Amino acid sequence: DAGVTQSPTHLIKTRGQQVTLRCSPKSGHDTVSWYQQALGQGPQFIFQYYEEEERQRGNFPDRFSGHQFPNYSSELNVNALLLGDSALYLCASSLDPENTEAFFGQGTRLTVV
Amino acid sequence: AQKITQTQPGMFVQEKEAVTLDCTYDTSDPSYGLFWYKQPSSGEMIFLIYQGSYDQQNATEGRYSLNFQKARKSANLVISASQLGDSAMYFCAMREENFGNEKLTFGTGTRLTIIP
Repeated sequence: DAGVTQSPTHLIKTRGQQVTLRCSPKSGHDTVSWYQQALGQGPQFIFQYYEEEERQRGNFPDRFSGHQFPNYSSELNVNALLLGDSALYLCASSLDPENTEAFFGQGTRLTVV
Repeated sequence: AQKITQTQPGMFVQEKEAVTLDCTYDTSDPSYGLFWYKQPSSGEMIFLIYQGSYDQQNATEGRYSLNFQKARKSANLVISASQLGDSAMYFCAMREENFGNEKLTFGTGTRLTIIP
């Protein structure tokens, strides 16, 4: 049984560009959350998707948007990239929004130059 | 607003010794959950242990135990008989368990290094 998979693993983008990151949840999981982890920091919650809807959102600007597909996979889109968007982006899935155990992927390392 | 504080940026521990990683939290919600995650250099966050705010007993999972002191708002992780493979970043996290607000809030982490 595959766990949470994220693609790509590494990405380099230029300031001002747009980027799309992808996440496939663990089999049977319908809830996907995205986190941003800057170097030397703990992960910060971006948003959560459940039943193809954004269920809750952290303190991130509208440049950060997402989508969840009928197969529960999810995308994170970031527009107008800033140097400060450089971070590890982690996807987590769970059986439902209230489930205690979230499984994380290995993350996508985004570098903005 | 919920907050997690980890005051130990780094720790060095001799192999086979026990280690305690500190975590304090702040929340006004009576119902919450406390988590510990391990993050090796590969980046993946690995779930270790969970403690609910209404749980009477301290949580244990193999070599991991959570020392939950509700009045002091602390949730320290204890690793018994440390191994070289325990070297990693460790994050304490909290979730307020009310509908629509189940996001995880993380601390800044502690880098644990096990010395042979």
